[in-house]
Amino acid sequence: DIQMTQSPSSLSASVGDRVTITCRASQSISNYLNWYHHKPGKAPKLLIYAASSLQSGVPSRFSGSGSGTDFTLTISSLQPEDFATYYCQQSYNTPWTFGQGTKVEIK
Amino acid sequence: EVQLVESGGGLVQPGRSLRLSCTGSGFTFGDYALSWVRQAPGKGLEWVGFIRGKTYGGTTENAASVKGRFTISRDDSKSIAYLQMNSLKTEDTAVYYCSRGNCASTSCYVGFDCWGQGTLVTVSS
Repeated sequence: DIQMTQSPSSLSASVGDRVTITCRASQSISNYLNWYHHKPGKAPKLLIYAASSLQSGVPSRFSGSGSGTDFTLTISSLQPEDFATYYCQQSYNTPWTFGQGTKVEIK
Repeated sequence: EVQLVESGGGLVQPGRSLRLSCTGSGFTFGDYALSWVRQAPGKGLEWVGFIRGKTYGGTTENAASVKGRFTISRDDSKSIAYLQMNSLKTEDTAVYYCSRGNCASTSCYVGFDCWGQGTLVTVSS
């Protein structure tokens, strides 16, 4: 199975901050990497697919980069609605594993 | 509007069975793979399994943690996917989500773009 490792596991930031989350795969997954945003009691929401493609309707402050084993999600200017947990997921091969999550909290 | 709605969760004793449903609307259900993901209390997201769309024969794959106990099926005429859970264990307690993906056989290039709100399954005596 492909292991996905996210860092950090949590971070505190202020509105307007630039935030970066990283995700590392245990083997190459090309660019089959997705990023989701999840709030308690809500449906997870796809932000980025194929490592760097912005899902329709997602604000442009979200961006993704990387290929192979190392990936990054960047939020250019954190907004109040962005405080949530972020997950990366590889969809290169089953089982489609998730990172352990990064909780973004208000400083 | 594209939508998925899960149902069927509840409290069940260890060793018993439960069937979850995932009802889709607003899209051609049979064209998409349907994936089940769960989140145990205080934990992250865990992939449970998926069923391929009709192009890929509607075959299934499950995570090792549920293999032999959970079965995924679909009825495209009703736009419903099912997660049959047998021999439930306390560690299966979680919110279960379904999501859709436009997938090839074992890979999904465009991710899972629509998720339901989830249904809670509690396994306890």
